[in-house]
Amino acid sequence: DAKTTQPNSMESNEEEPVHLPCNHSTISGTDYIHWYRQLPSQGPEYVIHGLTSNVNNRMASLAIAEDRKSSTLILHRATLRDAAVYYCIQRVLGTALIFGKGTTLSVSS
Amino acid sequence: EAGVTQFPSHSVIEKGQTVTLRCDPISGHDNLYWYRRVMGKEIKFLLHFVKESKQDESGMPNNRFLAERTGGTYSTLKVQPAELEDSGVYFCASSQVAGAGSRREEQFFGPGTRLTVL
Repeated sequence: DAKTTQPNSMESNEEEPVHLPCNHSTISGTDYIHWYRQLPSQGPEYVIHGLTSNVNNRMASLAIAEDRKSSTLILHRATLRDAAVYYCIQRVLGTALIFGKGTTLSVSS
Repeated sequence: EAGVTQFPSHSVIEKGQTVTLRCDPISGHDNLYWYRRVMGKEIKFLLHFVKESKQDESGMPNNRFLAERTGGTYSTLKVQPAELEDSGVYFCASSQVAGAGSRREEQFFGPGTRLTVL
């Protein structure tokens, strides 16, 4: 079963920042936080991952709480193409991804 | 660079028939995973290959499912005989490594095969 909890849905307007929260209170010291998203009718795609420090890439930023029990995926400027289901995954190295229900993000123009 | 490909994109079969799904991973990716989403449920892990060896098959639902990866390249997932509850979308993913914590552990997913068992 998934070890993370996320809101079922969130809404955003185009061009605005989006903060997607995730709780992972049972995380151990060696578990990574991965984010994947699934656009309609496609397979999941990698967004970002991190262990302790905040991470940035061209798609998003990942802010990890100091106690590592929660994290936030930040989309700096939402576009219509960012409408998807976002999955926060607490992952033991080398193991498969365990998907929960994720957060369905809706973006309005 | 070609992504992960899956064939067929859709399959409709009768209960009791056999279906074989195929996955071609990204070239050079030793790790290959199968996942599935049945109606209304989350995406669930089925099994993990490292090259041609089954690293973890703890997610395989029962012995009607058989996965192979001969030669460590493409993989097949056979369902025999298919049951109604096997309907869903089957995803394949591949990654360069597993366990490194680096970007090379990123899993690249295929578009999925939608299986409908009537």
